[in-house]
Amino acid sequence: KQEVTQIPAALSVPEGENLVLNCSFTDSAIYNLQWFRQDPGKGLTSLLLIQSSQREQTSGRLNASLDKSSGRSTLYIAASQPGDSATYLCAVRGNQFYFGTGTSLTVIP
Amino acid sequence: EPEVTQTPSHQVTQMGQEVILRCVPISNHLYFYWYRQILGQKVEFLVSFYNNEISEKSEIFDDQFSVERPDGSNFTLKIRSTKLEDSAMYFCASSRDRDTEAFFGQGTRLTVV
Repeated sequence: KQEVTQIPAALSVPEGENLVLNCSFTDSAIYNLQWFRQDPGKGLTSLLLIQSSQREQTSGRLNASLDKSSGRSTLYIAASQPGDSATYLCAVRGNQFYFGTGTSLTVIP
Repeated sequence: EPEVTQTPSHQVTQMGQEVILRCVPISNHLYFYWYRQILGQKVEFLVSFYNNEISEKSEIFDDQFSVERPDGSNFTLKIRSTKLEDSAMYFCASSRDRDTEAFFGQGTRLTVV
């Protein structure tokens, strides 16, 4: 069964810092990997989708990488802002989405 | 931008009652999902739906649960005889294909009292 782990569970950084969130998964037979943002009590907002054949995907200040063979993905956030404070979830897609437990990010002004 | 719409946003129900959670997926999408998230816990898979039938379901999705796509636009999750432990945020999601971006709704917060 696919297991998805996210490290760290929580992260607090000063505004302006660059940061990396990590996601690892146990089964490399995936269609794609998607990063989501979740604000407290709210839904899941899609940030980036990386296909299983891709190595990297960029959107604005966000860059996600995927190393399928080693079962790892990273989400890089450049020049963090207080508005980036949220929980970040990675989800790998097989016949369903398997979610990690998330990284709770706080960006301090 | 198209979005997945869920109603109601919050529902309070008494234990033992039936609830129906409603979702309107994005119009040209073919794959539909229900997930739930108990407060402070991981997002958990309930069921996937494709071609008007269930394609996969989790062990959580027992006889208490059912899904329907009654009219080609709505996608519903019915929970019969709700229990306290059914209290959670329920998310609907849809995608056009299995390898395209999936979009999640804002969720229905179900509180069973």
